[in-house]
This record gives sequence, C-alpha cells and structure tokens, in this order.
Amino acid sequence: EPEVTQTPSHQVTQMGQEVILRCVPISNHLYFYWYRQILGQKVEFLVSFYNNEISEKSEIFDDQFSVERPDGSNFTLKIRSTKLEDSAMYFCASSRRQTYNEQFFGPGTRLTVL
Amino acid sequence: TQLLEQSPQFLSIQEGENLTVYCNSSSVFSSLQWYRQEPGEGPVLLVTVVTGGEVKKLKRLTFQFGDARKDSSLHITAAQPGDTGLYLCAGESFTGAGSYQLTFGKGTKLSVIP
Repeated sequence: EPEVTQTPSHQVTQMGQEVILRCVPISNHLYFYWYRQILGQKVEFLVSFYNNEISEKSEIFDDQFSVERPDGSNFTLKIRSTKLEDSAMYFCASSRRQTYNEQFFGPGTRLTVL
Repeated sequence: TQLLEQSPQFLSIQEGENLTVYCNSSSVFSSLQWYRQEPGEGPVLLVTVVTGGEVKKLKRLTFQFGDARKDSSLHITAAQPGDTGLYLCAGESFTGAGSYQLTFGKGTKLSVIP
C-alpha cells in the first residue's frame, strides 16, 4: 500500500541553524501539506502546496519557512534559522483531491532545537 | 479561527465496554475526518464523512456527522485493548483563497484496560 515517507525521523540542531525536512508524498497525489505538532498539543496546519506553488499558509508559516518540490517526488520544508520554539514533530501529508480530501500523513520528523 | 473541541480529553474504560467520543464546533465543515495517532507516529486516517447526518461503520467503530455538519461522534462497541490510542477529529474548510485546510481537535486519549 502506498505511503508517505519522511526523512530524517529525528533531527537535532542548534538554534540559528538551517534545517531541511524531506518528504516523499504518495505518487499519484497532487496536493501536499506540512503540519506540526508541539509535544502534547494539537496538530497545526502550516502550509498547502499545489501545482508548484503555495495554496495556503498559516500564521505559523512566517518568512523563516519555505517549501519546495525540487523534483517529481520530493517535497521539502526548510526552516532558515531555527528557534527553540520550532522544536516539534513535523508531518507531511498528501491527498489526491483538493476537497473531501483524504489526507495521508507520513510518520513525521521529530525536530529538536537546542 | 475555527476550533474543534473534542471530549472527553481522556477516557479509561474496561475491555468490552462501549464508548462515545465527541467532536464539536460552531463552524460548518465541508467534511470531517477521524484519525488515530500512536505516540511518535503520524495520524492514520480512519474515515471521512461528508454529508450531514452521514453514518459510517468500520467494524466496531461507528462515525456520525451531524446534520448541520458542525459536529461528529465516534462510537466504539465492545472496546478492546487494541483500540487504545489517541483519536483525532479534523474538519475540512474552505479558506477563501481557493484552498482547503484541515483543523484538528486536541484529541481523545483512549485507554482500554484488559
């Protein structure tokens, strides 16, 4: 069964460093998303991406964040200068349709900023 | 900002008992999805409900979407230890920018005691 994959599973970085989180969405999906979940809190929407551009982004997704689909399979989230409060689980998701969309989530990347 | 309130937050029951988890909002959603999340993993989609009043069954799990598409419930019959986990509801809404996004509730942590 096709699934969303994410690498790395755990990333530890120093405050101020850049990190890139990688995702491979399900191959026939067209809509891609990033979410984050701070420990003990709810899953929060960051950004949606379609047709090589951002469709929607939340207030959390400020200028420090960017997304890219560098090739036909990968979808990346870059945080330019990490802050302590960026420590969280980051989930990538993909869906086939825009609405009534069943979003399938990856296993997540645990980002720890020291 | 749309909010989804889930109740109860925590639920501990004996094996064989029935239970209901609620997901409520003052906002209307185009669809509502239920996920299950294990510690340190990504949410796994259980079901999507789209039509007001819709009922879907997944073995011992029954999902209902409210008539006004503002609320939903998950009923588990004869709970088993394998049902233990975090259950999340997520409402899909149109952002007005030509895009849809999911808003998650905080989840119900279910523990089924053998």
